[in-house]
Parts: sequence; structure tokens; C-alpha cells
Amino acid sequence: DTVLTQSPALAVSPGERVTISCRASESVSTLMHWYQQKPGQQPKLLIYLASHLESGVPARFSGSGSGTDFTLTIDPVEADDTATYYCQQSWNDPYTFGAGTKLELK
Amino acid sequence: EVKLQQSGDELVRPGASVKISCKASGYTFTNYAMYWVKQSPGQGLEWIGTIIPLIDTTSYNQKFKGKATLTADKSSNTAYMELSRLTSEDSAVYYCARMENSSFAYWGQGTLVTVSS
Repeated sequence: DTVLTQSPALAVSPGERVTISCRASESVSTLMHWYQQKPGQQPKLLIYLASHLESGVPARFSGSGSGTDFTLTIDPVEADDTATYYCQQSWNDPYTFGAGTKLELK
Repeated sequence: EVKLQQSGDELVRPGASVKISCKASGYTFTNYAMYWVKQSPGQGLEWIGTIIPLIDTTSYNQKFKGKATLTADKSSNTAYMELSRLTSEDSAVYYCARMENSSFAYWGQGTLVTVSS
């Protein structure tokens, strides 16, 4: 299975820029996607196909990468961005998710 | 508006089975595959399997073969997942989801399954 590795947690101040990384154990081309999940809610799609912003998602969110290295950037971070962020690949079978990066605001 | 409405939370005994439903609305049910995802504290998010309602074809994550069975009822636009021989490892939140652009763009609200005697 394709393992997606994310850093477990980050703490930033509102107004700062934050990058969340996701490294795949093998190439996933650009079939990498990013989700935001808040407690008690289902995941919400933010970025699809590595760099495409989902409709309705603020332009503060952006994604980049291809192959095995991907990043989600939030600039500037707002208080409402406190959540866990997951990467997910759909290039290799089975589809897999990262373990999530918990973003906290200082 | 695409909506995926899941059935309510379940408390089930070890060794029993449970069947979760996911009613789709706002789109043509047979035009899209339905996916199921497990979220547990220990294992994170895991893709369980996929059903294509138009042709009743399923595919499963090898890990969930024999555990999950996916079906769909085209007459009611509802997808189902049955989990069998439940153990504590099956306690989790289960989601149905629909893809757009190869990503999980739409999610149900989740169904909590608790396995306990």
C-alpha cells in the first residue's frame, strides 16, 4: 500500500503562513488531495489533483507537488482553520490517507 | 445539491452484524460510484471499498474483504454496507462518499458503530 507521511502537529499564530507536507512512499502522479476535518464533522475537500482549489474554499488555501512530495499552504492562517488536515491519494490501489496533521492556533 | 444521508449510530454486540445505509439525493445515483471510508482513532481514515450502482460491481480494499459487503438499491437511491462478525476493532465512524475529480468531494455525515457487550 502507498504510505502517506504527514507531520503530526503544527502550531501557528493567526496571520502567519503555514505549510503542511505529505510524502508518499511511491509516486502518486498528481492524484493527491487535501481535506480539512473539524471535531465531530466529516472531512471536507479543500484541494483536489494536487493544486486545484475546490469550489467555495477560500483562496488562502493552496496546494502543490507531484510524484511523492506535496504541500498544503494556508496563507494567512485564520482562527477558524484550527482542524486536522489529511492528504489522500487515488493513484494507487488501495486509496490511502495520511495520518493527519493537527493545526493549532497560538 | 448533492446530499448523502446516512443511517443512525449503532450499538452492536461482538460477533453480530450491522448494516449501514447511505441515501443519495441531488444527482443521478447510477451515474456515480459510492465509496465507503472507515475512521478509527487507531487506524485513521481507510478506504473500505466501492460500488458502482449501475452495474452492481464492487471492489474492496484487501483489508476489508470478508468484513464488509457493499450493495445498492437503485429504486431508492440507497447504498448499503454490511459489516459482519464484529469485534472491538470494528468500532469506528463509517462514511459514505462520492468522488469528483478523483477525490472524495461529497461525504455523508458519518455513522458511529460501537461494538460492545
